[in-house]
Amino acid sequence: QQQVKQSPQSLIVQKGGISIINCAYENTAFDYFPWYQQFPGKGPALLIAIRPDVSEKKEGRFTISFNKSAKQFSLHIMDSQPGDSATYFCAASNNNDMRFGAGTRLTVKP
Amino acid sequence: ETGVTQTPRHLVMGMTNKKSLKCEQHLGHNAMYWYKQSAKKPLELMFVYNFKEQTENNSVPSRFSPECPNSSHLFLHLHTLQPEDSALYLCASSQGDRISLNQPQHFGDGTRLSIL
Repeated sequence: QQQVKQSPQSLIVQKGGISIINCAYENTAFDYFPWYQQFPGKGPALLIAIRPDVSEKKEGRFTISFNKSAKQFSLHIMDSQPGDSATYFCAASNNNDMRFGAGTRLTVKP
Repeated sequence: ETGVTQTPRHLVMGMTNKKSLKCEQHLGHNAMYWYKQSAKKPLELMFVYNFKEQTENNSVPSRFSPECPNSSHLFLHLHTLQPEDSALYLCASSQGDRISLNQPQHFGDGTRLSIL
C-alpha cells in the first residue's frame, strides 16, 4: 500500500531546541518530497522540498535529510521558536501520485 | 494575500441540500486540485485538473461533482452529502505545462464544511 508514515503525532520543544519530524514512504517511484506547514485556520504552505538526487537540503533554520535506501526523510528545525508552532505535513509524490503523512503538531514553549 | 482564494470559508448544510464550493487562483497556474482534510488523517487528493481537463478522480463518490470552467477557477458541487463528509476542503494549484504532482502546490485556506 502506498502510504507515507509520519512521526511523532505531536511534539513539544523548548525555545531554542531542535525539532525533528520523521517520515517513511513505500513507493520507490516517488521523486519529490515536500514539507508543508499549516497554521490554524490556514491552508498548508510549502516550507521546503527535496528531490532524491541529494541527501540533504538546508534553507535557513530548516533542513531536510533524505535517506533513499531506507526510504526515509526527516525535517529538522534548528533554534525552534514559538512562531514555529504549527502542524507539519510531509508528502511524497511522483508525476501521477501524491501521498501525505498524517501530520505532526509542533508546540514550541517559550 | 494568498494566491488561492476559497469561498465560502465556512458552510453548514443538511444532507439533502445542494451547495457549491469555489476556488480561484491568481498565480497563472495551469493545474488545480481539490483535497479533503479530516482530523488526524492525511490529506486526501480528490480531483486534479490541468488546462480545464480532469485527469484524476481518486474514487470520489458521485455526490461530489467538480467543475473547472477555466484554468483560474475550480468548483466543487455538493449534493446529498453524508455526515462523514464533514471536513476541511482545500483547493490548490501548481505550475507546469502538464499535470505533475511532483511540483510545489499552493493551497487556499479551505472551506470548513459541516453536514447536519
